[in-house]
Amino acid sequence: QLQLQESGPRVVKPSETLSLTCIVSGGSISSSPYYWGWIRQPPGKGLEWIGSVYYAGSSDYNPSLMSRVTFSVDRSKNHFYMEMTSVTAADTAVYYCVREKKTVSGRLFDYWGQGALVTVSS
Amino acid sequence: EIVMTQSPATLSVSPGERATLSCRASQSVSSNLAWYQHKPGQAPRLLIFRASTRATGIPVRFSGSGSGTEFTLTISSLQSEDFAVYYCQQYDSWPPFTFGGGTRVEFK
Repeated sequence: QLQLQESGPRVVKPSETLSLTCIVSGGSISSSPYYWGWIRQPPGKGLEWIGSVYYAGSSDYNPSLMSRVTFSVDRSKNHFYMEMTSVTAADTAVYYCVREKKTVSGRLFDYWGQGALVTVSS
Repeated sequence: EIVMTQSPATLSVSPGERATLSCRASQSVSSNLAWYQHKPGQAPRLLIFRASTRATGIPVRFSGSGSGTEFTLTISSLQSEDFAVYYCQQYDSWPPFTFGGGTRVEFK
């Protein structure tokens, strides 16, 4: 059974970089037709897709966050990563890593991590 | 960006009753609509894709319908484990993929 687990600092200072790791177990990050993504949920608000990365290195982004976000993959570790720069209090959220299954039209989120609450605070 | 709107925000239902959840898209998403279930402290779970196809292992009491801009998730006979928050998501026009605000199904 595929499992995803978010890892990283739970408190980040304003203007600094938020870095998260997703540890994938029970399946290969190099398998097709899967992408590996990030979704967040600020307290009391809805879900927001941040973007995703393919094992070969290509990425897709939410246009609203594109200028601040970078994704990467380490196939040898079966991990993938997100970095978000210049964070503010508005970036405080539960961050989920997800597996995105490619369909004819778009992508579904068929596996999710438990989520990691990241708080931006000085 | 396609805006997804779910109603009601909260649905109070007794076990054994039928629950009907709605999702509306700001423009047509054809049948490219998924539903997810989220219980506190757990990872969200994919229930339905392509508007009406149940994901692997999802009980038959969950059904989806609709196309274009109007969609419905029906839980035919609510079980205790079904009390959760349910989200719809469109994957027709992206980026970005977008979600509804969720419907909380609570015990009446």
